[in-house]
Amino acid sequence: NAGVTQTPKFQVLKTGQSMTLQCAQDMNHNSMYWYRQDPGMGLRLIYYSASEGTTDKGEVPNGYNVSRLNKREFSLRLESAAPSQTSVYFCASSDGTGGETQYFGPGTRLLVL
Amino acid sequence: AQKITQTQPGMFVQEKEAVTLDCTYDTSDPSYGLFWYKQPSSGEMIFLIYQGSYDQQNATEGRYSLNFQKARKSANLVISASQLGDSAMYFCAMREGLLMAGNQFYFGTGTSLTVIP
Repeated sequence: NAGVTQTPKFQVLKTGQSMTLQCAQDMNHNSMYWYRQDPGMGLRLIYYSASEGTTDKGEVPNGYNVSRLNKREFSLRLESAAPSQTSVYFCASSDGTGGETQYFGPGTRLLVL
Repeated sequence: AQKITQTQPGMFVQEKEAVTLDCTYDTSDPSYGLFWYKQPSSGEMIFLIYQGSYDQQNATEGRYSLNFQKARKSANLVISASQLGDSAMYFCAMREGLLMAGNQFYFGTGTSLTVIP
């Protein structure tokens, strides 16, 4: 049982390049989330998907897009990376039907030069 | 206004002593959930404890308890009998609104706890 997996673990991009962060969960959870963590800022919600087929903006959605590909997978896309998007990105999932706990992936460290 | 405020950037505690990490929250929604997470130096986020806004009793999970004072909008984490392995960043978080209505989660800036032998 892998829980929440994220790929890649580390990525370096040049300004203007695009990339997709992948996230998958094997717990049959309904809800999935993308966060970014910056020093001194805690975690901030970028986008979330309450259930398959729905996505909503979180606190800091600008510069990102998401796709809930199916119940298992939730991807985050940076169309034109900027240095301000240098961060650690966490994916999380939760049951969404009464189970409150969010389970987090190991994170992706992204450096935009 | 900040949704979650953690005013203690860093805390020290002697091994085997108890420690309280402070958290205050701001919401006008009657339905919300409060969480504490631990982030060791390895980086993963580990769920510790949850308190729902309608829960009458304070939540407890082993050595962790959540001191929920609704009128004060505080949700302090109490760790009893601290261990060296408790040294980590601790984040308070809030889910605002009903779970099925879509979720907005807010995290505090964290408290770095160091347990001294």
